[in-house]
Amino acid sequence: AQKVTQAQTEISVVEKEDVTLDCVYETRDTTYYLFWYKQPPSGELVFLIRRNSFDEQNEISGRYSWNFQKSTSSFNFTITASQVVDSAVYFCALSEPTGANSKLTFGKGITLSVRP
Amino acid sequence: DTAVSQTPKYLVTQMGNDKSIKCEQNLGHDTMYWYKQDSKKFLKIMFSYNNKELIINETVPNRFSPKSPDKAHLNLHINSLELGDSAVYFCASSRLRWETQYFGPGTRLLVL
Repeated sequence: AQKVTQAQTEISVVEKEDVTLDCVYETRDTTYYLFWYKQPPSGELVFLIRRNSFDEQNEISGRYSWNFQKSTSSFNFTITASQVVDSAVYFCALSEPTGANSKLTFGKGITLSVRP
Repeated sequence: DTAVSQTPKYLVTQMGNDKSIKCEQNLGHDTMYWYKQDSKKFLKIMFSYNNKELIINETVPNRFSPKSPDKAHLNLHINSLELGDSAVYFCASSRLRWETQYFGPGTRLLVL
């Protein structure tokens, strides 16, 4: 069965610090997709990134970067030079395309607080 | 221009009442979902529909009944509301079941 573990529950940093949010996943499939979503205090769920299991290239988007390592089953998310607007709950998620009940499984989320 | 919309945004009601939440997506997606987010922010899938057909029903009490009149709409009806139903309910859609899901703004349900 698929599982996503976000061991950190709450992280607090001061603005301009770099912060890494960890995500470890479990799956029996060789084909799968990994996601990160952001939920700011306003409550909506915002899609950030999707990676498929065959693409281990790291991705950078502005101050955001993602490190996908199949060897450790991890898909970590780093925010460089954090800002107060980065304060949110961040969810890592996993989906497997095979099987009739293919679904998105979320981790429990990490609450990030960025202090000015 | 809203991709996935839900109404109402807030719902305050008494125990025992029946209520509905509506969801519409204009992304042309084939699959729609309902999720429940509890007070600890844990997100759990409740139902998934693909082209109006129910494909996932995750051990949800049968007081909850989804209805999909067409593939752009997925409504959630809840009978005999209980205190434990208080949560945020999110609708989402995706092109294929395993692809990126786009979420509505959520409906904050409070049962008194």
